[in-house]
Order: sequence, then C-alpha cells, then structure tokens
Amino acid sequence: GQNIDQPTEMTATEGAIVQINCTYQTSGFNGLFWYQQHAGEAPTFLSYNVLDGLEEKGRFSSFLSRSKGYSYLLLKELQMKDSASYLCAALDSNYQLIWGAGTKLIIKP
Amino acid sequence: SQTIHQWPATLVQPVGSPLSLECTVEGTSNPNLYWYRQAAGRGLQLLFYSVGIGQISSEVPQNLSASRPQDRQFILSSKKLLLSDSGFYLCAWSVRGADTGELFFGEGSRLTVL
Repeated sequence: GQNIDQPTEMTATEGAIVQINCTYQTSGFNGLFWYQQHAGEAPTFLSYNVLDGLEEKGRFSSFLSRSKGYSYLLLKELQMKDSASYLCAALDSNYQLIWGAGTKLIIKP
Repeated sequence: SQTIHQWPATLVQPVGSPLSLECTVEGTSNPNLYWYRQAAGRGLQLLFYSVGIGQISSEVPQNLSASRPQDRQFILSSKKLLLSDSGFYLCAWSVRGADTGELFFGEGSRLTVL
C-alpha cells in the first residue's frame, strides 16, 4: 500500500531551527510536496522536490532522498507565525497526491 | 491571476438533510478540480476529482456526489447527511498536464452535522 509517515507534533523555540521529517512509500514517484496549513485555513504550497538534494527558499529548505524514500523540511529563524501544521505529500505514478496526516508545529517564545 | 473560491465557509446541518458546497475557479481554463475532506488529526482524503466537464472520478464510496456543470465550477452534494460527514472540505485545482501537479486550495468549508 501507499503510506506517508511524519511526526504528529513538534515543539520548538522562537529563533531556533526545526527539521520535520517525512518518509514515503508509493507506487511510483513523481515528486514530493510540502504544504503549510494554519489552523482553520486551507493548505498553501511551500516546496516541491523531484530530484535528490536540498532546495532552499528563504528561511525554509526542503530535502529529498529518493533512494531512502525520505524528505525533510527545515525551518530556520523560527517565528511565532510559523506555528502551523506542515503536510507532506508524495505524487505517485498516476500523478495522484498521497498525503501524510501533517505535523503540528508549536513555537514557544 | 488565478483564484479559487468555495462556499459556504461554515455550515451546521442536521442529520438527514441535504448538502451543497460550491467551488469556482477564475483566471484559468480546463483545470483539474478536486474535492478533499480533512478530518481532525488525519491527512487529506481525496473524495472526487475531475479532468473535464461532466467527468467525475470517485475515490471513496460514500453518500456524497460531485458534479461539474461548467469548466470552472465544481459542486459537492449529498441527499442525506450522516454524522460521519462532518469535517473540513477543501476544493482545489491544478493545471491540467502540468508535471508537478501542484494544488491550489480554496478557503475551505467547515461542515458540522448534528
């Protein structure tokens, strides 16, 4: 079957760095997405990786290892507004998104 | 620029009542359209997707249905709601034929069935 695993909840301190991991098992693979979702709102796109390596976009970076079925989202210089759920989703061979349950990130002052 | 809107934002309905959620996309043509449901603490569950007018694929058998009467309009319906239909419903679109399949979401509709 197809499966996405990510931690349910993480806590970090304002100004610090946090890494949210995601492992995936899919029928074929056409890339991995990270979305941010604030409570009660719709998800918004953060990143897309299809090749191995690190993609940096400001304070946020996303890493992919296709051979390990593994990705992480790295958030630097954490701000209170980064408190949200972070959703990992893999695109399978039929270009359908398989979603993880999301990681709730709590930022403390 | 492209925009997506869905309504209503919040809905409280009794068990057995009908449902209609509507979604429209502006600024693009021939989008792929999706209805997702998100239950608390769970991942997004794909309910329906559509690649064209009148073309609906159902991912999960249930008492919900979807229709696409126009290219940029997607409607989620039910004739009789169940308690288990409560959740956060999200409409989304993607560019047809795009390699990445990035989704753009509407604002969401929170349905509470009592």
